[in-house]
Amino acid sequence: DTAVSQTPKYLVTQMGNDKSIKCEQNLGHDTMYWYKQDSKKFLKIMFSYNNKELIINETVPNRFSPKSPDKAHLNLHINSLELGDSAVYFCASSQEGESPLHFGNGTRLTVT
Amino acid sequence: AQSVTQLDSHVSVSEGTPVLLRCNYSSSYSPSLFWYVQHPNKGLQLLLKYTSAATLVKGINGFEAEFKKSETSFHLTKPSAHMSDAAEYFCVVSGPTGTASKLTFGTGTRLQVML
Repeated sequence: DTAVSQTPKYLVTQMGNDKSIKCEQNLGHDTMYWYKQDSKKFLKIMFSYNNKELIINETVPNRFSPKSPDKAHLNLHINSLELGDSAVYFCASSQEGESPLHFGNGTRLTVT
Repeated sequence: AQSVTQLDSHVSVSEGTPVLLRCNYSSSYSPSLFWYVQHPNKGLQLLLKYTSAATLVKGINGFEAEFKKSETSFHLTKPSAHMSDAAEYFCVVSGPTGTASKLTFGTGTRLQVML
């Protein structure tokens, strides 16, 4: 079974649309994250959730909103998509206070 | 504040020869350090981690790294490269409590392995 799974793997959409990326982990971890990887492979944390509480929110536009229906899921909603949102988005999970992170395989978002 | 610098954006080696991927860090406290590997179209996978125990850390797939406080380095090595090692490698430093939410990633080193 895949430990951290995210869907879809590829997402192509037009500017101005609203889209969601889903993430699920079956590791029993209590913290989940979203990372953005740009075209130069640079990874930047966007959000983390611990027990349904947002504990990190870096300088991310409010068009991005994480939603966690339960401890095993952290979905990413993006409103009014822009060209600059094109990137690979990774979901990850960990046990609070411990590393390492376990990553999903990524969602490649292309905004046209 | 903490930061990490990967000194080479691209390293090319021949199969069977040693691998050296360099990483320097900056931290105002005793950090935890990690190396992750990313194969094409895949997520990141932990290779090894240093958390203030032994300074020479052994990881998966024959990789190891040595923590050198005097040089603020955490270079990744492997005695003999294999074609399957071709990937992107990330050096990562964490905050004082080792919490994943405080991870800072390097910019990555692409390892190319030639026949």
